[in-house]
Amino acid sequence: KAGVTQTPRYLIKTRGQQVTLSCSPISGHRSVSWYQQTPGQGLQFLFEYFSETQRNKGNFPGRFSGRQFSNSRSEMNVSTLELGDSALYLCASSLVSDGYYTDTQYFGPGTRLTVL
Amino acid sequence: KQEVTQIPAALSVPEGENLVLNCSFTDSAIYNLQWFRQDPGKGLTSLLLIQSSQREQTSGRLNASLDKSSGRSTLYIAASQPGDSATYLCAVPGNKLTFGGGTRVLVKP
Repeated sequence: KAGVTQTPRYLIKTRGQQVTLSCSPISGHRSVSWYQQTPGQGLQFLFEYFSETQRNKGNFPGRFSGRQFSNSRSEMNVSTLELGDSALYLCASSLVSDGYYTDTQYFGPGTRLTVL
Repeated sequence: KQEVTQIPAALSVPEGENLVLNCSFTDSAIYNLQWFRQDPGKGLTSLLLIQSSQREQTSGRLNASLDKSSGRSTLYIAASQPGDSATYLCAVPGNKLTFGGGTRVLVKP
């Protein structure tokens, strides 16, 4: 069974631009979560989508948004990029979602975003 | 608010030594605890998920223990190898998955 895939793997953008990242979960998984990882802040939760609905949202500004499609694939968008948005963006999928993340989370390889 | 701490932040051991990684959490009302491994610049690989009703979970050279009452979990890696060099993170679920800061492990040949 294929794992979680994320595209693109690397991105370089300039301040003020916007970016869209894509995540394809493991086949059959309906929950997709997004995380931002930086050396200073560690892993921080962005949001979770389940059955095309955002279930939970972390403490990030409205410039960060996402969506999930009927095939469970998810995208996240960051508008008006800032230097501080440079990070590794990880998505994770799980088979079920009870709102409490009790199921094993499987992570993708991440998208490395660099904002210049 | 759940807080997860991993101490030490970094650890260096000679090959063959057993590794002991610690994870502590502030809210003991957890459903489970998950341990991950992360290689530099890569995603996370799930190692073990230990349910709140379990005290231990084993997979090969890895053994994780959980003591909810004291808010602690320990990951043991027996007979460490250079390939075990990575960052190890623990995470507990709630309305989000809360991660510790990780322990960066270096196993010297």
